[in-house]
Amino acid sequence: GDSVTQTEGLVTLTEGLPVMLNCTYQTIYSNPFLFWYVQHLNESPRLLLKSFTDNKRTEHQGFHATLHKSSSSFHLQKSSAQLSDSALYYCALSDRWDSGYNKLTFGKGTVLLVSP
Amino acid sequence: DMKVTQMPRYLIKRMGENVLLECGQDMSHETMYWYRQDPGLGLQLIYISYDVDSNSEGDIPKGYRVSRKKREHFSLILDSAKTNQTSVYFCASGADSGNTLYFGEGSRLIVV
Repeated sequence: GDSVTQTEGLVTLTEGLPVMLNCTYQTIYSNPFLFWYVQHLNESPRLLLKSFTDNKRTEHQGFHATLHKSSSSFHLQKSSAQLSDSALYYCALSDRWDSGYNKLTFGKGTVLLVSP
Repeated sequence: DMKVTQMPRYLIKRMGENVLLECGQDMSHETMYWYRQDPGLGLQLIYISYDVDSNSEGDIPKGYRVSRKKREHFSLILDSAKTNQTSVYFCASGADSGNTLYFGEGSRLIVV
């Protein structure tokens, strides 16, 4: 089945430094959708950005990611971390089951902690 | 306004008791989901529902069942709750593949 592998556990950064959270995936489908969801403390996950176009950069709220099908990757980046970026980040993969309906597979999540 | 609502938000149950978690959405989405979230394990799919009375098991369905009698409402049932079902449960809804999933606020269940 599908799988998503993210940077393990906790990433700690000083404010102002660049952010890079890794995400790689495995799927038999040639046209997957990739997502990054963000979950702040005591909140529910919400979409940060998504892509299904190979080699095209997607940006939202200062974050960006590029889907690279050749390496099955969808890394999340930001040029300068802010304190408010501290949160749990999930990479997720969507494909089409045989029935044609959507299933979203999440990675285990990466906690980003930004300090002053 | 696009919203997914979960009830109850917090619940404490004794082992062996039945649990009903309810979820509603106002977006007329066909597909709805139940996930559980545990530290270090991320979001794990319990059940997925494609429409009324059209449900399929996710990755961890054991010990759970679901009911969807109206498109806007999706229930998760635990018959005889176990302590290892202590978790935060999230309901979500979404349209076709590639569209955003909208999550509810979560239901924190403690089984003692």
